[in-house]
Amino acid sequence: DAKTTQPTSMDCAEGRAANLPCNHSTISGNEYVYWYRQIHSQGPQYIIHGLKNNETNEMASLIITEDRKSSTLILPHATLRDTAVYYCIVRADNFNKFYFGSGTKLNVKP
Amino acid sequence: GAVVSQHPSRVICKSGTSVKIECRSLDFQATTMFWYRQFPKQSLMLMATSNEGSKATYEQGVEKDKFLINHASLTLSTLTVTSAHPEDSSFYICSARVLGTGHQPQHFGDGTRLSIL
Repeated sequence: DAKTTQPTSMDCAEGRAANLPCNHSTISGNEYVYWYRQIHSQGPQYIIHGLKNNETNEMASLIITEDRKSSTLILPHATLRDTAVYYCIVRADNFNKFYFGSGTKLNVKP
Repeated sequence: GAVVSQHPSRVICKSGTSVKIECRSLDFQATTMFWYRQFPKQSLMLMATSNEGSKATYEQGVEKDKFLINHASLTLSTLTVTSAHPEDSSFYICSARVLGTGHQPQHFGDGTRLSIL
């Protein structure tokens, strides 16, 4: 079962930063936070993951709170092509499985 | 890197037919692959974990005799939907994890849309 909760949908203006929150209040010490996105009729695309430190790559930044009970995915300059469903997933290091929650539908508007 | 390919991307067949879907890791080895199903406007649901050289493990409520999984090599897993019926129509997606450290992400294929008439 998914261990995360996310808002159902969010809007963001093109060119602005998109901040997508995720709550994972029952996260355990060895569990990582992963973010994926799914554009309609495609497989999920990996974005970023982290354990406790903030992470940044060419796609996004991941901010994890100190207590690790929540995180925020930041797309610094959203484009129309970033419109997708974004999934936050928690998974233990020694277990392979992903259980997807409902995700957040991000609508980037011109 | 870390490309996962699914074939076919779309299949339409008659009720009662068995359909095989292939999932390949193109540039890495994967001892474990996963199969998901996604109905319209819903999230992905994990069906089973495919383990190279051993039996797949199925999630609760997924019929193992209905959804046959074979993982004969480190780069190929197949899902066969046996005697498919219209209620099996769905988007089937596989994923694979790079062999190595435990926290590496899964990489997903682009899915197979199955339509049973």
